[in-house]
Amino acid sequence: GEDVEQSLFLSVREGDSSVINCTYTDSSSTYLYWYKQEPGAGLQLLTYIFSNMDMKQDQRLTVLLNKKDKHLSLRIADTQTGDSAIYFCAESAVTGAGSYQLTFGKGTKLSVIP
Amino acid sequence: DGGITQSPKYLFRKEGQNVTLSCEQNLNHDAMYWYRQDPGQGLRLIYYSQIVNDFQKGDIAEGYSVSREKKESFPLTVTSAQKNPTAFYLCASSIKRGQGSITGELFFGEGSRLTVL
Repeated sequence: GEDVEQSLFLSVREGDSSVINCTYTDSSSTYLYWYKQEPGAGLQLLTYIFSNMDMKQDQRLTVLLNKKDKHLSLRIADTQTGDSAIYFCAESAVTGAGSYQLTFGKGTKLSVIP
Repeated sequence: DGGITQSPKYLFRKEGQNVTLSCEQNLNHDAMYWYRQDPGQGLRLIYYSQIVNDFQKGDIAEGYSVSREKKESFPLTVTSAQKNPTAFYLCASSIKRGQGSITGELFFGEGSRLTVL
């Protein structure tokens, strides 16, 4: 079955770059996602990357995809205290009925030190 | 504004009681999902529904039940058979592939925290 692995904790200083890594197993995944969860709240989609792309940049966020190694990373430039949250990596599969089934990693808790 | 509403945000239950968590969406999404989140465990899928009057078990369905009588609503009942129900519960919805979204994004509610006393 599908499995998504990511480290549980990351601590960085304000202004530095953060890099959160993720590995996945399903080579047929069409999209890979990064979600952000602030304390006591639901998840919000940060960004996604199509499986035929190597990189996607969106303001301070850079997503790198190494499909051969099934490795996904999220880089946050100029990390701010407001970036402190849990970041989830997820991969998708399409069910027989046409709905999406996402498999999530356990989440990486990013702590930003002022 | 469109979105997903979960209620209540906090719920306390005595052992042996059933409780129902509400999830309502006005996004006109076909698919809805329930996840359970425990510290260090990530999100685990409890049940999902791809269409009205149909739902499927996820990875940890034991001790839970759902219904999908309306497109907008997908309530989750945590029964007394669930051995360790204290957790944060998240409801989500998505559009079916080919109906306007190609990304498969899940939209999440704000969650309901259930504590068993």
